[in-house]
Amino acid sequence: NAGVTQTPKFRILKIGQSMTLQCTQDMNHNYMYWYRQDPGMGLKLIYYSVGAGITDKGEVPNGYNVSRSTTEDFPLRLELAAPSQTSVYFCASTPGTHRGVRNEQYFGPGTRLTVT
Amino acid sequence: AQTVTQSQPEMSVQEAETVTLSCTYDTSESNYYLFWYKQPPSRQMILVIRQEAYKQQNATENRFSVNFQKAAKSFSLKISDSQLGDTAMYFCAFTPPFQKLVFGTGTRLLVSP
Repeated sequence: NAGVTQTPKFRILKIGQSMTLQCTQDMNHNYMYWYRQDPGMGLKLIYYSVGAGITDKGEVPNGYNVSRSTTEDFPLRLELAAPSQTSVYFCASTPGTHRGVRNEQYFGPGTRLTVT
Repeated sequence: AQTVTQSQPEMSVQEAETVTLSCTYDTSESNYYLFWYKQPPSRQMILVIRQEAYKQQNATENRFSVNFQKAAKSFSLKISDSQLGDTAMYFCAFTPPFQKLVFGTGTRLLVSP
């Protein structure tokens, strides 16, 4: 298994540009998440999904959109990039069950995004 | 609101010594999971250890162990026989319902020769 993969690893955007951060997992996990990590800080949840076709906002969703058309993929879209979105973005997944078993999250390697 | 507090922004320890990182959390839930994640300079988030709140026994993973005090809502990480490769940021995290992890702000650990 490749686990959780993210592309690209690095990206520089100009203010107002758009881009999609890709996230794919091959572990057949139901739950997927997007986090951002600002310098010297912990991770903050942007959006999450409990299964294909279902997404919900996390702590800091403004300026982002997500979709979940398949179990494997959970792309994060930035429509109008702003300097405040300069951060490292992590995608994560966890199996989850209907009984709500709390398993650890498996993280991708991260995408470092700079908006100038 | 669920919160996780790590009160030590930075810690230093010498090789082979023992260090303890502190973590407290706030929740009204009775069942939940707690984790310690390690983030080395490569930025990869690596799970170090996990604890299930309904288990009284403290979790251990080789040189890593926790002191879980449920009543005090405390979850500290002890690293024994510290190694240079333990140098990293360490994040405490908590899962309230719906599996949304809540992270602390991290403790930077430096292991010196």
